[in-house]
Order: sequence, then structure tokens, then C-alpha cells
Amino acid sequence: QVQLVESGGGLVKPGGSLRLSCAASGFTFSDYYMSWIRQAPGKGLEWVSYISSSGSTIYYADSVKGRFTISRDNAKNSLYLQMNSLRAEDTAVYYCARDLITGTRVVDYWGQGTLVTVSS
Amino acid sequence: EIVLTQSPGTLSLSPGERATLSCRASQSVSSSYLAWYQQKPGQAPRLLIYGASSRATGIPDRFSGSGSGTDFTLTISRLEPEDFAVYYCQLGTFGQGTKVEIK
Repeated sequence: QVQLVESGGGLVKPGGSLRLSCAASGFTFSDYYMSWIRQAPGKGLEWVSYISSSGSTIYYADSVKGRFTISRDNAKNSLYLQMNSLRAEDTAVYYCARDLITGTRVVDYWGQGTLVTVSS
Repeated sequence: EIVLTQSPGTLSLSPGERATLSCRASQSVSSSYLAWYQQKPGQAPRLLIYGASSRATGIPDRFSGSGSGTDFTLTISRLEPEDFAVYYCQLGTFGQGTKVEIK
């Protein structure tokens, strides 16, 4: 069965960095576009970034552009999110997500999420 | 960027009643990319509808989606106790959500 398992969340000070990982299993990872989506405490969903199956196409939300970098390693079935210059408003649960249909950002599988807290 | 506005913010209904949730786009969009999700507290969202009207795998037929252009609707024909949750529409970015609560 499809599984997405995030790791790497935690407490970090403003201006700090964190790298999130997502281990995928149960499907051919290299065939799918993947996304990171976040949810601040008590708030709605915010799409953060996505990456094409080969890694050649990448998009970011304006709120993270220039600070976050998405990447993937198809040989390791893994998705990553490097987060730099973190701000208090980046505090959220970060979900790894699989595209149902290539390039649509419609998500059919979600991870359980990893919490990132940015606070001094 | 397209903005999705969901209404109402909160819908108070009883089990067995019909729920109608609205999602309005700031400009005309392709329905091929419009999706609806359900989220319960402490859980990841679950895909209900994609392509505006296609049910995802395993979704009961009491959930249906419709619409085109700028106006889309999620209908739950008869609310079951497990349907009380927050619902989001998505076209790349997400709407702000509609909470369906027990009256």
C-alpha cells in the first residue's frame, strides 16, 4: 500500500534552517509529481511547493520562494524540503503529498505530517 | 493567482440532512483540476472529488461534486455522523475551508 512518511520536523529559531524528508513506498515513486503542503495550527491548508517526476519542473508558493528548496532522489524514493531563513509564520504541520494526476496538484495520498515550530 | 472563496464558513446541520458547500473562483477555471477534500481533527486531508465531479476511490456516493467556470459545489446528500468535518476545495491553492458541524 502507498505510504508517505515525513521526518525532520522540530523546533528551530527564527532565521534558522531545517530539512524535511519524506520516504515513499508502495508505488513507483519516479512516476509521480510530489508536493509539500502545510497547515499552520488551527488554520487552513497552504500548498508550498511541487516537483515533477524527473525533478526538472519545480514551483513554489510566493510565501516561500527564495527560502525553500524542494528536491527528490528517485533512487532512494525520497522527497525533501530544505527550509532556510525560517520565520514564525512558517510554523505548521508539513505534509508530503502525491499527485493523483500529473501536474494537477490534486493529492490522492498524504503523509501523516511533521510539525515545524519556529520560535525563539 | 486564482483565489478560491468557500461559503459558508460554517454549516450547522443534523445527521440525515443535505449539505451544500460552495467554492467560487476569482476567474474562470478548468474544472479538470478542481478537487474537494475532507479533513477531520488530527488527521491528514482525504481526497473526495477530483475533476470537479469524479469521486475518488472508496468515496461513498452520497458525496457529489458539480460546477464549472467559476462556481463549484460539493453536495453531501444525507449527512452521516462521520461526515462532520472541515471541507476544502482546491485548484492548486486551497480555499479557506467550510466546517460542517452538528446542529
